[in-house]
Amino acid sequence: QSVLTQPPSASGTPGQRVTISCSGSSSNFGSNTVSWYQQLPGAAPKLLIYNNYQRPSGVPDRFSGSKSGTSASLAIRGLQAEDEADYYCAAWDDRLNGWLFGGGTKLTVL
Amino acid sequence: QVQLVESGGGVVQPGGSLRLSCVASGFVFSNYDMHWVRQTPGKGLEWVAIIWFDGGTKYYGESVRGRFTISRDNARNTLYLQMNSLRAEDTALYYCARTLSTGPSPYDGSDIWGQGTMVTVSS
Repeated sequence: QSVLTQPPSASGTPGQRVTISCSGSSSNFGSNTVSWYQQLPGAAPKLLIYNNYQRPSGVPDRFSGSKSGTSASLAIRGLQAEDEADYYCAAWDDRLNGWLFGGGTKLTVL
Repeated sequence: QVQLVESGGGVVQPGGSLRLSCVASGFVFSNYDMHWVRQTPGKGLEWVAIIWFDGGTKYYGESVRGRFTISRDNARNTLYLQMNSLRAEDTALYYCARTLSTGPSPYDGSDIWGQGTMVTVSS
């Protein structure tokens, strides 16, 4: 089964560094790149990371991405209150011929 | 201003049909692959379909394959989603989204999203 697995929740205090993991399989992470999205309450998703680690223009460098094998992670350093949101990983799956999204991680800034 | 504006959502009975539209502006629509992604209220994102920049290739998620059809009119800068045989589980906010790079680039992320249009399937 093609599934991207994320922890349902994460938390941190302002200024801290937080990481969110995402686990895939050979049919998605194994051969394709990973993207990460941030979704603030009531808003559309926003692309944070593409091609495993690249940031679109306008995304602060506090956000970084990495991938190793069939696992990926999003790191947020210098956590801020406005980072409180849902975060999703995503990748193209060669077996499904389509995108897969992780289940999402709700980040709480304490 | 680069933007996508969806329309066409509404309330429909199970088994019914609906066509969603997504009008693009501020960029060369015909150069980009386009996606439909949906989100059940309070739940996660689910990819629905992709159409390549030239309309020549289309792929669908397992849950909608055979019922939904994605299409585009590059002359009108418009993306469509024809939804037939609708089910209660199709109730969701439907977003259209543009791939980051010019097509074909289905593997890239989506950097431009619309605000979504709500579809409710209920008797």
